Amino acid sequence: KQEVTQIPAALSVPEGENLVLNCSFTDSAIYNLQWFRQDPGKGLTSLLLIQSSQREQTSGRLNASLDKSSGRSTLYIAASQPGDSATYLCAVSVRDDKIIFGKGTRLHILP
Amino acid sequence: DTGVSQDPRHKITKRGQNVTFRCDPISEHNRLYWYRQTLGQGPEFLTYFQNEAQLEKSRLLSDRFSAERPKGSFSTLEIQRTEQGDSAMYLCASSSSLADVAYGYTFGSGTRLTVV
Repeated sequence: KQEVTQIPAALSVPEGENLVLNCSFTDSAIYNLQWFRQDPGKGLTSLLLIQSSQREQTSGRLNASLDKSSGRSTLYIAASQPGDSATYLCAVSVRDDKIIFGKGTRLHILP
Repeated sequence: DTGVSQDPRHKITKRGQNVTFRCDPISEHNRLYWYRQTLGQGPEFLTYFQNEAQLEKSRLLSDRFSAERPKGSFSTLEIQRTEQGDSAMYLCASSSSLADVAYGYTFGSGTRLTVV
């Protein structure tokens, strides 16, 4: 059974710092991995999608990496801003029909 | 097309009442998913459709829950005889598939259900 773990559960950092969020999964047989952002009481916004054949994806200040063999992904946020404060969720596609989520990392950027 | 739409955004209902939620996916997406999220947890899979066919249902989806996607367009999720434990955010997502590979999910803003 696929399980997704995100560490840390919560993180507070001063504005301007670079930071890394971690995601691990137990079964390396995944189709893709997706990082989402969720603001309080809101739905999910897709940030980055990495197909199983890819190693990383970049969008602006965000960079996500994928190491299937070790069952790990990281989301790197450069030059953090208060607007980056949100919960970040990692999700893996276990087959072509559904994804399994971690519990998320609550990020707070201190002005 | 402005993305995945869910209606209503919020629903407060008394225990025992029936509720129905609607999801309008991105028009060219053939797959539609329902997830449930409780406070402090990640979303949990409930069910998914490919076109109008419901292909999988989670064990979380008790007999009180039913989902439909007539004509492969919008979908409805109905909860009968609601219980306080049904209180959660219900999220809908859609995706397109090519050669049986999903190309990422787009989520709606969710429907927050409170059962009192």
